[in-house]
This record gives sequence, C-alpha cells and structure tokens, in this order.
Amino acid sequence: QSALTQPASVSGSPGQSITISCTGTNSDVGGYNFVSWYQQHPGKAPKLLIYDVSTRPSGVSHRFSGSKSGNTASLTISGLQAEDEAEYYCSSYTISSTWVFGGGTKLTVL
Amino acid sequence: EVQLVESGGGLVQPGGSLRLSCEASGFTFSTYIMYWVRQAPGKGLEYVSGISTDGGTAYYANSVKDRFTISRDNSRNTVYLQMGSLRPEDTAVYYCAVGAIWGQGTLVTVSS
Repeated sequence: QSALTQPASVSGSPGQSITISCTGTNSDVGGYNFVSWYQQHPGKAPKLLIYDVSTRPSGVSHRFSGSKSGNTASLTISGLQAEDEAEYYCSSYTISSTWVFGGGTKLTVL
Repeated sequence: EVQLVESGGGLVQPGGSLRLSCEASGFTFSTYIMYWVRQAPGKGLEYVSGISTDGGTAYYANSVKDRFTISRDNSRNTVYLQMGSLRPEDTAVYYCAVGAIWGQGTLVTVSS
C-alpha cells in the first residue's frame, strides 16, 4: 500500500495550463480505471474533481480534466485561476480492494 | 441536503480507544460503500477503511488493521469506526466519505 507518487509542487500563471502526474503500479493505477482527483483548500474537506480517470462530477468546471496512460494518471487544469491554488490529491482503487492516495501536489498560481 | 456529519473525536491517551460516528442524510445510505479517510496535521490524505453496503465486508489499511473496526447501521444511516490501541501517529482529522460526499471531519488527538 505505498502512496502514489505526485510532484510536491507545481506552479503556473493565470490563464495557463498545468498538468499534475500521479504514478502508481500495475496493482493500482495501471490495473483499474478507478482513479480520482481531489482539490483541498486549507482547513477544508477535499472536493472531488474527477473520478473513473476522466469523469467530472456535476458542477465541476470543464477546466479540470483527467487522463491515464499505463501506470500514470494526470490531472490537467486549463485557464488557471487564482482560486485554483490548493493542494491536489490523486487516488486509485487497488488490488487489495482498498484505495491509495498520492502524497499531494501544492499548486501555486503565480 | 446531501451530507455526512462525523462525531466522536477528541483527546485520548496512547493505548486508548475511541469510536467515531458518521451520520448520513440526503441520499440512500444503504446502497453506498462507505469509507473513512484521515489526514494527519500538515500531511496528506490516507485511506483508513471501507465497508460494503450490507456491512458484511470490510477493508483496512495495513496501518490500522487489527486495531480499527468499521461497521454500519443502515437503519440509522450511520457508519462507525471503532479505534483501539491508539498511537500518537493516529492523530489526524478523520473524514467519512463516499464519492463526492465528504464530511467536515473530526479531530482525533492521541497524546499523553
């Protein structure tokens, strides 16, 4: 149950696009199309942005998109806005029927 | 309104026990697998446990296996987390979650 690997931080300017990667193994990310992405602002509960690799829940902006290739999933945020500054976490279903999270990526909007 | 409300957190000594509760409303609780996720201060999210819709199957992170027990009462729309043999490293905000629905969290502090 090792945590998925995410970059510790990414940054971008308003209007730009950024991509956050999430690398796992064949026993989690690569083995299932059950990858989710969460956004968390300080002191708040996580908010689901993407589930099942690329599906957005109702109400989530189209600026957020997800994809997967092999053992690596990615979250892309287009048209960066100041309010996107937050911590982002990926998670994946695992071969053990549990879920595993990534270590989190802090997004800074310059 | 769709929501999850956790309760039961607090300060407990190492080796002690605590039971968390999470009451659901606004959705058909009995048809959803329920989860507990925790977040230590300043740290990332960590999966703790999950339970099947009928309560018959439970899954645990290795870090809590044999110390924590998840259960649910579908008649009360509530999921529980019985925590035992608590350690300082169990100190965290514990969230109840299902998909896009997360509670506000309840803080558990394990300290002497």
